[in-house]
Amino acid sequence: AQSVTQLGSHVSVSEGALVLLRCNYSSSVPPYLFWYVQYPNQGLQLLLKYTSAATLVKGINGFEAEFKKSETSFHLTKPSAHMSDAAEYFCAVTNNNAGNMLTFGGGTRLMVKP
Amino acid sequence: EAGVAQSPRYKIIEKRQSVAFWCNPISGHATLYWYQQILGQGPKLLIQFQNNGVVDDSQLPKDRFSAERLKGVDSTLKIQPAKLEDSAVYLCASSLVGGITGELFFGEGSRLTVL
Repeated sequence: AQSVTQLGSHVSVSEGALVLLRCNYSSSVPPYLFWYVQYPNQGLQLLLKYTSAATLVKGINGFEAEFKKSETSFHLTKPSAHMSDAAEYFCAVTNNNAGNMLTFGGGTRLMVKP
Repeated sequence: EAGVAQSPRYKIIEKRQSVAFWCNPISGHATLYWYQQILGQGPKLLIQFQNNGVVDDSQLPKDRFSAERLKGVDSTLKIQPAKLEDSAVYLCASSLVGGITGELFFGEGSRLTVL
């Protein structure tokens, strides 16, 4: 079984501030982890993915995430928020026993204040 | 390159009516997925196709939902009869390969409101 918990359904930051979106996972076998972003009225777009290579993963638009097995976490960060980062962010997990079946977290809506 | 196309974008129906959603994946993508996204929740997989065969439909409510992917390209998701709790956005996604690291490309979704 696998699951994802995203702490904080809404996160608000000021433009230029650090962005930190939290994701904790549960998986009975080594996981593969993903972050997707969804802009209003658009489909989900892959930000980055962890597939058992480097634990620090860099994605598009300046985002990165670090896989920490001891903490079962895969938090998403960006050093400096931009207004265009306002969107909903979803963490997702899969593993070798689940094929490509992604289990998504509930999402975190990021708001960026000017 | 054209993305995943879905239609209609919006649909409002009354409970017990039927509705169908259509999806055209990215050309050459063998794997196609239908997800249900209820407001305030993450997407939930309903069904996964590899070409025209079903890989996983364990979370599809088969008493009212059906899906097909004739000829391994376009797909249709049908709900009959609809219930209030079916109000959601139905997302179609496709990937080039069915492996774990294959990136999923999502369409813009079809928003269903059941009154």
